[in-house]
Amino acid sequence: DVKVTQSSRYLVKRTGEKVFLECVQDMDHENMFWYRQDPGLGLRLIYFSYDVKMKEKGDIPEGYSVSREKKERFSLILESASTNQTSMYLCASSLPGVDINTEAFFGQGTRLTVV
Amino acid sequence: ELKVEQNPLFLSMQEGKNYTIYCNYSTTSDRLYWYRQDPGKSLESLFVLLSNGAVKQEGRLMASLDTKARLSTLHITAAVHDLSATYFCAVATSYNTDKLIFGTGTRLQVFP
Repeated sequence: DVKVTQSSRYLVKRTGEKVFLECVQDMDHENMFWYRQDPGLGLRLIYFSYDVKMKEKGDIPEGYSVSREKKERFSLILESASTNQTSMYLCASSLPGVDINTEAFFGQGTRLTVV
Repeated sequence: ELKVEQNPLFLSMQEGKNYTIYCNYSTTSDRLYWYRQDPGKSLESLFVLLSNGAVKQEGRLMASLDTKARLSTLHITAAVHDLSATYFCAVATSYNTDKLIFGTGTRLQVFP
């Protein structure tokens, strides 16, 4: 079974703090994703990485950065947390699109509250 | 820029009835996915549709893809309470990239 593990289920941080959300996958997937999920807005892509040290912006990258130093680990960084970044954050991984089994597998999510 | 729209956003249906959820997307793509999310849980993959005319079925759910119309449907047959969940479609932005864009989701409630 593919396992995508996010470091925290629940997190409470103060406004202005630098926040790190960690995600690890154990299936040697090339692709990794960070989404945020908000009621009525579905999942919105923050950043996408298709290889170590490679990244692409998603639809809402402002206020976020990412790091992928190793293939299995993809970190989301909130440079200076704000209350409008209170959300559920979901990490996912997948094989490249040329493969047959390309669906993304998701972690359990991190519910972040910024106060 | 790829946009993915689902409708309806919310669906309340009686057990035993049939219904269809629609997923429209704005630019060419050759891969579409359907996911299910139970309350408080993460997303679970249901179907991967890779070509025009693709149809896949699992139990009471059947998904199809029309790439010319840029439309996918998720059909529910004889709904049961266990199907209550939120359903998302997701589209890869193009053949040469694996970036996945999701729809807003359809929250399905099945009542007796």
